[in-house]
Amino acid sequence: ETGVTQSPTHLIKTRGQQVTLRCSSQSGHNTVSWYQQALGQGPQFIFQYYREEKNGRGNFPPRFSGLQFPNYSSELNVNALELDDSALYLCASSFGPGREDTEAFFGQGTRLTVV
Amino acid sequence: GQQLNQSPQSMFIQEGEDVSMNCTSSSIFNTWLWYKQDPGEGPVLLIALYKAGELTSNGRLTAQFGITRKDSFLNISASIPSDVGIYFCAGRYTGANSKLTFGKGITLSVRP
Repeated sequence: ETGVTQSPTHLIKTRGQQVTLRCSSQSGHNTVSWYQQALGQGPQFIFQYYREEKNGRGNFPPRFSGLQFPNYSSELNVNALELDDSALYLCASSFGPGREDTEAFFGQGTRLTVV
Repeated sequence: GQQLNQSPQSMFIQEGEDVSMNCTSSSIFNTWLWYKQDPGEGPVLLIALYKAGELTSNGRLTAQFGITRKDSFLNISASIPSDVGIYFCAGRYTGANSKLTFGKGITLSVRP
Protein backbone atom coordinates (compact mmCIF):
# COMPACT_ATOMS: atom_id res chain seq x y z
CA GLU A 1 0.00 0.00 0.00
CA THR A 2 1.78 3.12 -1.26
CA GLY A 3 -0.90 5.70 -0.56
CA VAL A 4 -0.96 6.61 -4.24
CA THR A 5 -4.19 5.75 -6.03
CA GLN A 6 -5.01 5.99 -9.71
CA SER A 7 -8.31 5.89 -11.53
CA PRO A 8 -9.61 4.25 -13.53
CA THR A 9 -7.62 1.02 -13.39
CA HIS A 10 -8.55 0.06 -16.95
CA LEU A 11 -9.85 2.09 -19.86
CA ILE A 12 -10.62 1.45 -23.52
CA LYS A 13 -10.74 4.38 -25.91
CA THR A 14 -11.08 4.82 -29.65
CA ARG A 15 -8.36 6.37 -31.78
CA GLY A 16 -8.81 10.13 -31.98
CA GLN A 17 -10.60 10.42 -28.65
CA GLN A 18 -9.36 12.25 -25.57
CA VAL A 19 -8.71 10.72 -22.16
CA THR A 20 -8.14 12.00 -18.61
CA LEU A 21 -6.37 9.84 -16.07
CA ARG A 22 -6.36 10.72 -12.39
CA CYS A 23 -3.96 10.27 -9.52
CA SER A 24 -4.25 10.95 -5.82
CA SER A 25 -0.84 11.44 -4.27
CA GLN A 26 0.31 10.45 -0.83
CA SER A 27 -0.54 13.16 1.69
CA GLY A 28 2.30 15.65 2.08
CA HIS A 29 3.90 14.83 -1.26
CA ASN A 30 4.05 18.02 -3.33
CA THR A 31 5.60 16.44 -6.42
CA VAL A 32 3.91 14.14 -8.90
CA SER A 33 5.46 12.48 -11.92
CA TRP A 34 3.73 10.62 -14.72
CA TYR A 35 5.25 7.73 -16.64
CA GLN A 36 4.17 5.68 -19.65
CA GLN A 37 5.03 1.98 -19.61
CA ALA A 38 4.54 0.17 -22.91
CA LEU A 39 4.31 -3.62 -22.87
CA GLY A 40 7.70 -5.19 -22.23
CA GLN A 41 9.37 -1.84 -21.55
CA GLY A 42 10.42 0.18 -18.56
CA PRO A 43 8.49 3.29 -17.56
CA GLN A 44 9.23 6.42 -19.62
CA PHE A 45 9.07 9.86 -17.98
CA ILE A 46 6.26 12.05 -19.35
CA PHE A 47 6.41 15.07 -17.04
CA GLN A 48 6.59 16.20 -13.45
CA TYR A 49 4.67 18.79 -11.44
CA TYR A 50 5.96 20.45 -8.29
CA ARG A 51 3.60 22.62 -6.27
CA GLU A 52 1.20 22.82 -9.23
CA GLU A 53 3.87 24.00 -11.69
CA LYS A 54 5.39 21.87 -14.42
CA ASN A 55 8.91 20.93 -13.40
CA GLY A 56 10.26 18.95 -16.31
CA ARG A 57 9.02 17.15 -19.38
CA GLY A 58 10.13 14.04 -21.24
CA ASN A 59 10.11 13.37 -24.95
CA PHE A 60 6.34 13.28 -25.42
CA PRO A 61 4.24 15.37 -27.84
CA PRO A 62 2.09 18.29 -26.69
CA ARG A 63 -0.96 15.97 -26.90
CA PHE A 64 0.13 14.88 -23.44
CA SER A 65 -0.68 17.50 -20.83
CA GLY A 66 -1.28 17.56 -17.13
CA LEU A 67 -2.42 19.42 -14.08
CA GLN A 68 -1.66 19.23 -10.39
CA PHE A 69 -4.12 20.47 -7.79
CA PRO A 70 -3.58 21.77 -4.24
CA ASN A 71 -5.29 18.73 -2.72
CA TYR A 72 -2.46 16.36 -3.83
CA SER A 73 -4.42 15.15 -6.84
CA SER A 74 -3.31 15.38 -10.45
CA GLU A 75 -4.44 14.59 -13.98
CA LEU A 76 -2.85 13.36 -17.17
CA ASN A 77 -4.71 14.33 -20.34
CA VAL A 78 -4.04 12.83 -23.73
CA ASN A 79 -5.70 14.29 -26.82
CA ALA A 80 -6.13 12.75 -30.26
CA LEU A 81 -5.33 9.26 -29.03
CA GLU A 82 -3.19 7.03 -31.21
CA LEU A 83 -2.88 3.25 -31.15
CA ASP A 84 0.68 3.58 -29.80
CA ASP A 85 -0.67 5.38 -26.72
CA SER A 86 -1.86 2.00 -25.45
CA ALA A 87 0.18 1.44 -22.30
CA LEU A 88 0.19 1.37 -18.52
CA TYR A 89 0.24 4.93 -17.19
CA LEU A 90 1.86 5.33 -13.81
CA CYS A 91 1.91 8.25 -11.44
CA ALA A 92 4.49 8.60 -8.71
CA SER A 93 4.36 11.02 -5.81
CA SER A 94 7.23 12.29 -3.72
CA PHE A 95 8.53 15.19 -1.72
CA GLY A 96 9.96 18.03 -3.76
CA PRO A 97 13.42 18.60 -5.23
CA GLY A 98 16.08 18.74 -2.56
CA ARG A 99 14.65 15.69 -0.81
CA GLU A 100 16.64 13.17 -2.81
CA ASP A 101 16.85 10.91 0.21
CA THR A 102 13.15 10.17 -0.03
CA GLU A 103 11.95 8.30 -3.04
CA ALA A 104 8.74 8.30 -5.02
CA PHE A 105 5.87 5.94 -4.46
CA PHE A 106 4.09 4.60 -7.52
CA GLY A 107 0.39 3.99 -7.96
CA GLN A 108 -0.92 0.75 -9.43
CA GLY A 109 -1.34 2.37 -12.84
CA THR A 110 -4.10 2.84 -15.39
CA ARG A 111 -4.10 0.38 -18.28
CA LEU A 112 -5.17 2.34 -21.38
CA THR A 113 -6.09 0.48 -24.54
CA VAL A 114 -6.66 2.46 -27.72
CA VAL A 115 -8.59 0.66 -30.46
CA GLY B 1 13.60 7.91 -24.92
CA GLN B 2 16.77 6.79 -23.16
CA GLN B 3 16.68 3.51 -21.31
CA LEU B 4 19.28 1.87 -19.17
CA ASN B 5 20.72 -1.46 -20.31
CA GLN B 6 19.49 -4.56 -18.53
CA SER B 7 20.10 -8.05 -19.81
CA PRO B 8 19.14 -10.76 -20.23
CA GLN B 9 15.43 -10.09 -20.66
CA SER B 10 14.52 -13.18 -18.62
CA MET B 11 16.22 -15.29 -15.98
CA PHE B 12 15.20 -18.71 -14.68
CA ILE B 13 16.59 -20.00 -11.40
CA GLN B 14 15.93 -22.74 -8.90
CA GLU B 15 14.46 -21.88 -5.50
CA GLY B 16 17.29 -21.36 -3.04
CA GLU B 17 19.78 -20.14 -5.65
CA ASP B 18 21.38 -16.71 -5.71
CA VAL B 19 20.93 -14.44 -8.72
CA SER B 20 22.71 -11.29 -9.80
CA MET B 21 21.48 -8.62 -12.22
CA ASN B 22 23.33 -5.64 -13.49
CA CYS B 23 22.43 -2.40 -15.15
CA THR B 24 24.58 -0.10 -17.23
CA SER B 25 24.23 3.37 -18.65
CA SER B 26 26.10 5.62 -21.05
CA SER B 27 25.34 8.54 -18.72
CA ILE B 28 26.28 9.08 -15.10
CA PHE B 29 23.69 9.17 -12.37
CA ASN B 30 23.76 10.47 -8.81
CA THR B 31 21.22 7.94 -7.58
CA TRP B 32 20.56 4.34 -8.56
CA LEU B 33 17.35 2.59 -7.64
CA TRP B 34 16.07 -0.96 -7.97
CA TYR B 35 12.33 -1.66 -8.29
CA LYS B 36 10.23 -4.81 -8.49
CA GLN B 37 6.96 -4.89 -10.41
CA ASP B 38 4.31 -7.57 -10.09
CA PRO B 39 1.61 -8.06 -12.74
CA GLY B 40 -1.04 -5.34 -12.64
CA GLU B 41 0.87 -3.30 -10.09
CA GLY B 42 3.16 -0.30 -10.08
CA PRO B 43 6.88 -0.61 -9.35
CA VAL B 44 7.84 -1.00 -5.71
CA LEU B 45 11.17 0.35 -4.48
CA LEU B 46 13.59 -2.31 -3.22
CA ILE B 47 16.87 -0.46 -2.68
CA ALA B 48 18.13 3.09 -3.20
CA LEU B 49 21.83 3.97 -3.61
CA TYR B 50 23.14 7.52 -3.25
CA LYS B 51 26.95 7.35 -3.35
CA ALA B 52 29.36 5.89 -5.86
CA GLY B 53 30.77 2.65 -4.46
CA GLU B 54 27.96 2.31 -1.94
CA LEU B 55 26.90 -1.23 -1.06
CA THR B 56 23.46 -1.53 0.55
CA SER B 57 21.46 -4.50 1.77
CA ASN B 58 17.76 -5.00 2.39
CA GLY B 59 17.15 -8.48 3.74
CA ARG B 60 18.19 -10.97 1.06
CA LEU B 61 18.83 -8.16 -1.42
CA THR B 62 22.17 -6.44 -1.90
CA ALA B 63 22.86 -3.68 -4.39
CA GLN B 64 25.92 -1.66 -5.31
CA PHE B 65 26.40 1.73 -6.94
CA GLY B 66 29.27 1.44 -9.42
CA ILE B 67 32.26 3.71 -8.86
CA THR B 68 31.99 5.09 -12.40
CA ARG B 69 28.39 6.09 -11.58
CA LYS B 70 27.36 4.38 -14.82
CA ASP B 71 26.36 1.00 -13.46
CA SER B 72 24.76 -0.87 -10.59
CA PHE B 73 24.06 -4.46 -9.67
CA LEU B 74 21.41 -6.21 -7.60
CA ASN B 75 21.96 -9.57 -5.93
CA ILE B 76 19.18 -11.73 -4.52
CA SER B 77 20.31 -14.51 -2.24
CA ALA B 78 18.49 -17.73 -1.38
CA SER B 79 15.65 -17.03 -3.81
CA ILE B 80 12.07 -17.92 -2.90
CA PRO B 81 8.95 -18.22 -5.10
CA SER B 82 7.70 -14.74 -4.19
CA ASP B 83 10.83 -13.24 -5.78
CA VAL B 84 9.13 -13.83 -9.13
CA GLY B 85 8.51 -10.57 -10.94
CA ILE B 86 10.09 -7.93 -13.13
CA TYR B 87 13.14 -6.14 -11.75
CA PHE B 88 13.91 -2.64 -13.00
CA CYS B 89 16.91 -0.48 -12.41
CA ALA B 90 16.46 3.28 -12.54
CA GLY B 91 18.86 6.19 -12.47
CA ARG B 92 18.40 9.76 -11.45
CA TYR B 93 20.65 12.73 -12.09
CA THR B 94 20.06 15.42 -9.49
CA GLY B 95 18.83 18.52 -11.21
CA ALA B 96 15.76 20.66 -11.49
CA ASN B 97 13.51 17.62 -11.26
CA SER B 98 13.66 14.07 -9.96
CA LYS B 99 13.01 12.32 -13.25
CA LEU B 100 13.87 8.61 -13.28
CA THR B 101 15.34 6.81 -16.28
CA PHE B 102 14.47 3.11 -16.24
CA GLY B 103 15.87 -0.04 -17.81
CA LYS B 104 13.68 -2.47 -19.76
CA GLY B 105 13.54 -4.82 -16.82
CA ILE B 106 14.48 -8.44 -16.19
CA THR B 107 11.73 -11.01 -15.68
CA LEU B 108 12.76 -13.43 -12.94
CA SER B 109 11.21 -16.89 -12.70
CA VAL B 110 11.91 -19.13 -9.70
CA ARG B 111 11.36 -22.88 -10.01
CA PRO B 112 10.24 -24.56 -6.77
